[in-house]
Amino acid sequence: GAVVSQHPSRVICKSGTSVKIECRSLDFQATTMFWYRQFPKKSLMLMATSNEGSKATYEQGVEKDKFLINHASLTLSTLTVTSAHPEDSSFYICSARRDGSSYNSPLHFGNGTRLTVT
Amino acid sequence: SQKIEQNSEALNIQEGKTATLTCNYTNYSPAYLQWYRQDPGRGPVFLLLIRENEKEKRKERLKVTFDTTLKQSLFHITASQPADSATYLCALDGVDSSYKLIFGSGTRLLVRP
Repeated sequence: GAVVSQHPSRVICKSGTSVKIECRSLDFQATTMFWYRQFPKKSLMLMATSNEGSKATYEQGVEKDKFLINHASLTLSTLTVTSAHPEDSSFYICSARRDGSSYNSPLHFGNGTRLTVT
Repeated sequence: SQKIEQNSEALNIQEGKTATLTCNYTNYSPAYLQWYRQDPGRGPVFLLLIRENEKEKRKERLKVTFDTTLKQSLFHITASQPADSATYLCALDGVDSSYKLIFGSGTRLLVRP
């Protein structure tokens, strides 16, 4: 099956610092990747859609300057949480469809990154 | 307003019984509906996808129904096992041109041995 690798799995950082999370599709090319955020016992909230070679599309209410997304290649998307604050502490998960931009196909998820900002 | 709802209370059942989980939505018209399993601290894993013109889909011990009139999907696990204990998420697919999935908050299933 398709594999999406996410790194790091856990990170603790101090307030004001920036954290970069990497998401790689290991056995397929992903022109589009999706970044989700999940609070405890809550739904996956889509933050942004990452598009290879172009700007990401952010969901309403998500700060573009705070959550920087770069999709530099067909297998790598990165999310950088800039000037992190304790309220940014959360579980961040990336995903992609093997069949690229299409419906009717499953999302393959990374194993998430637990970010704790102290 | 648009909503997708799953029972937030955990479903606690005895091993061997059938678990039935519900997903209801309002003010969406998904072309497809997907179900995922999520274990603690892990990303969701895809289970089943059903199209709007399909009433039922099966895969081994899993069965999904999709009623576009009621705007509801039911997810069944027959002969449940303790290893089935996890959170199950439904997701609406094909709601617009963006290819994104809209997820419910999930229902936690606990299967007692």
